Amino acid sequence: DGGITQSPKYLFRKEGQNVTLSCEQNLNHDAMYWYRQDPGQGLRLIYYSQIVNDFQKGDIAEGYSVSREKKESFPLTVTSAQKNPTAFYLCASSIGYGDTEAFFGQGTRLTVV
Amino acid sequence: KQEVTQIPAALSVPEGENLVLNCSFTDSAIYNLQWFRQDPGKGLTSLLLIQSSQREQTSGRLNASLDKSSGRSTLYIAASQPGDSATYLCGPRSYGQNFVFGPGTRLSVLP
Repeated sequence: DGGITQSPKYLFRKEGQNVTLSCEQNLNHDAMYWYRQDPGQGLRLIYYSQIVNDFQKGDIAEGYSVSREKKESFPLTVTSAQKNPTAFYLCASSIGYGDTEAFFGQGTRLTVV
Repeated sequence: KQEVTQIPAALSVPEGENLVLNCSFTDSAIYNLQWFRQDPGKGLTSLLLIQSSQREQTSGRLNASLDKSSGRSTLYIAASQPGDSATYLCGPRSYGQNFVFGPGTRLSVLP
């Protein structure tokens, strides 16, 4: 089955730790995206990548980092610099960066303990 | 920058009713608009994609219309069922910009 796989589903982070969220797609899509969703706030864009080996900051990139070394993978690292990381994180992809449809993974819920 | 609003924020109806969910956006220069469904603790599932040249799109009991010039889209759900309970988000895609999403309408269909 083609789709987007996010792992883990639940993640707990201690204060001061970096954690990495995985996003893998087998749709052969060029563009990939990371969003953060907080209750009552909708989705906010963290980072996006139009093509392999390229990525740009979104609206709330501070405290996050990404890499895009392979077309199918776009991991997100939540660093200790992110002051309020507890949220639901969603990865998405599209065929290209333009007038194409977005597909989403099932999300990772990150909680700081 | 594209701003998206959705009305109502929440809706609770008895089973069998026909529903109307509204999406408004400020920048009418869009490629397309998607409607999504999100169940609690899950990702977004694409329901319908309307291209900017289209007026409406249908899938089963769902029908979405697009009035690009006025910055509005409407999602109609016919004969609602308890399984339709979820949050519905719209996402207009503007030229040269990333996907932007509305805050969603939380729908509860009571048996």
